[in-house]
Amino acid sequence: EIVLTQSPATLSLSPGGRATLSCRASQSVNTYLAWYQQKPGQAPRLLIYDAFNRATGIPDRFSASGSGTDFTLTISSLEPEDSAVYYCQQRNDWPHAWTFGQGTKVEIK
Amino acid sequence: QVQLVQSGAVLKRPGSSVKVSCEASGDTFMKYAISWVRQAPGQGLEWMGGIVPIYESENYARRFQGRVTITADRSTNTAYMILNNLKSGDTAVYYCSSGFYFGGRGTLVTVSS
Repeated sequence: EIVLTQSPATLSLSPGGRATLSCRASQSVNTYLAWYQQKPGQAPRLLIYDAFNRATGIPDRFSASGSGTDFTLTISSLEPEDSAVYYCQQRNDWPHAWTFGQGTKVEIK
Repeated sequence: QVQLVQSGAVLKRPGSSVKVSCEASGDTFMKYAISWVRQAPGQGLEWMGGIVPIYESENYARRFQGRVTITADRSTNTAYMILNNLKSGDTAVYYCSSGFYFGGRGTLVTVSS
């Protein structure tokens, strides 16, 4: 199974700043990578699909790039509401298993 | 966007089985993979497996193979996840997703004697 490694584990930033989150796959997932945001007590919310496409209703402060094994999620002009845990997920090649990264916690103070 | 409604919270004994349902509205049920994802208290997301209803094609994470079964009832637009031989470590919130979208707040399964 493909292992996704996210870094850093935690980011503490100020409002108005920029967050850069990394997701590295143990083997190529092409561009079959999604990013999710999860706040306490809530279901994960899709931000990005297929490596760089923003989901409906997601502000353009959220952008993503990458292909193969290295991916990045960037959140610019950070707002307090962006405090959450962010997960990447690969969906390469059904019926092979899909997997999540372990998450990056973003704190906005 | 599809709407997903899951069954309610349950308490189960170790060694028993649990069946969680996920009813989808709209006409996308058949087209997209229904996945089951769980989250233990304070932990991250864990993909368990999924099914593509139109093909009845199942796919399971290695650590759950043999212990989980995922099915889809096309007549009622409902997917099911059955997890057998429950352990305390299976205590978690279980989510279903259709395509990229997750349903509600999930289903809390508590395994305790």
